[in-house]
Amino acid sequence: DGGITQSPKYLFRKEGQNVTLSCEQNLNHDAMYWYRQDPGQGLRLIYYSQIVNDFQKGDIAEGYSVSREKKESFPLTVTSAQKNPTAFYLCASIGGYGLVNTEAFFGQGTRLTVV
Amino acid sequence: AQKVTQAQTEISVVEKEDVTLDCVYETRDTTYYLFWYKQPPSGELVFLIRRNSFDEQNEISGRYSWNFQKSTSSFNFTITASQVVDSAVYFCALSEGQGGKLIFGQGTELSVKP
Repeated sequence: DGGITQSPKYLFRKEGQNVTLSCEQNLNHDAMYWYRQDPGQGLRLIYYSQIVNDFQKGDIAEGYSVSREKKESFPLTVTSAQKNPTAFYLCASIGGYGLVNTEAFFGQGTRLTVV
Repeated sequence: AQKVTQAQTEISVVEKEDVTLDCVYETRDTTYYLFWYKQPPSGELVFLIRRNSFDEQNEISGRYSWNFQKSTSSFNFTITASQVVDSAVYFCALSEGQGGKLIFGQGTELSVKP
């Protein structure tokens, strides 16, 4: 079955450590996205990538880094520079056919807690 | 600049009432896509509808209907005869072009009471 997989579901990090969240899709989608959601808040865009080896900053990129070495994979690293990393992280992908976008497919999310 | 506004933070209704969730967007592109998603307490995002900027037809799917009006840059969502299972956070979203930046509104938390 095609889909988008995020791992792990829960992640605990000590202050000062970097941590990487995984996002893999087998939908053959070009575009992938990372969002952060805080309790009672909307989804805020961290980074997005429209094509392999290219990515753009979203609205809250500071303290985060990404890579897009393969079409299927878009890992997010939460660095020690991110002052308040505890949040729910969602990964998404969108495919396109000609001029038509499909809907965005989302992973199940990773809940990151700093301890 | 691209922006999505959901002015209603929380809505509370009694079961069987109709309810409309508002969504207003801003974009400079002529080609764009609008989406609605539902987020139940479990956290996953459930896709409800996609609309492209060239298709202003309203859509009905069971108890759900959507009203897309380019003249007012709005894409409102109505639930008819609401049910307790409709309780969730609903997000409106906008993407420009193909695989472009995809941004979300703040979400509207809908509570349907028995």
